[in-house]
Amino acid sequence: DGGITQSPKYLFRKEGQNVTLSCEQNLNHDAMYWYRQDPGQGLRLIYYSQIVNDFQKGDIAEGYSVSREKKESFPLTVTSAQKNPTAFYLCASSIVGQGVNQPQHFGDGTRLSIL
Amino acid sequence: RKEVEQDPGPFNVPEGATVAFNCTYSNSASQSFFWYRQDCRKEPKLLMSVYSSGNEDGRFTAQLNRASQYISLLIRDSKLSDSATYLCVVNPGGGFQKLVFGTGTRLLVSP
Repeated sequence: DGGITQSPKYLFRKEGQNVTLSCEQNLNHDAMYWYRQDPGQGLRLIYYSQIVNDFQKGDIAEGYSVSREKKESFPLTVTSAQKNPTAFYLCASSIVGQGVNQPQHFGDGTRLSIL
Repeated sequence: RKEVEQDPGPFNVPEGATVAFNCTYSNSASQSFFWYRQDCRKEPKLLMSVYSSGNEDGRFTAQLNRASQYISLLIRDSKLSDSATYLCVVNPGGGFQKLVFGTGTRLLVSP
């Protein structure tokens, strides 16, 4: 089955700790994205990547870092600099195609909480 | 003004009812439009893309009005399983598939 796998489903972070959220896709999509969703709010873009070894900051990149060493994988690190990390984190992927309706497909998310 | 605005609801309707949601967007250069469905504590799932001429998928009809900068979603013969939050999603353009998500409209279908 093709899809996007996020792990873990639940994650707890201690003060001063960095944590890494995994996102793997086997859809052969070039583009991958990380979003954060807070209760009652829309999804906000953290980072995105159009191609391997390249990524761009989204709207709320401070306190986060990413890498894109493989097409299939786009891990997100929540650093200790992110003072309010409690949220639902969603990874997505899509085909890259200009001028065409290209939706994004989501993994089932990781819930991160502070201990 | 927000890039994408939706009435948060909730819309409470009985089974079998017809319900419609609107969503407005601020960027007139926006290129593509989608409706996603999100169940409580789950990931968003694509419901349908929205095409300029309007499109239908079973009980769901999506319309785009570029002149007034809004899109709509009509659900006919509502089912209990339609209860969810419906997200309006817009690609504002700029050469890359960066999507902007509305905060969603909550629908509750009751027996």
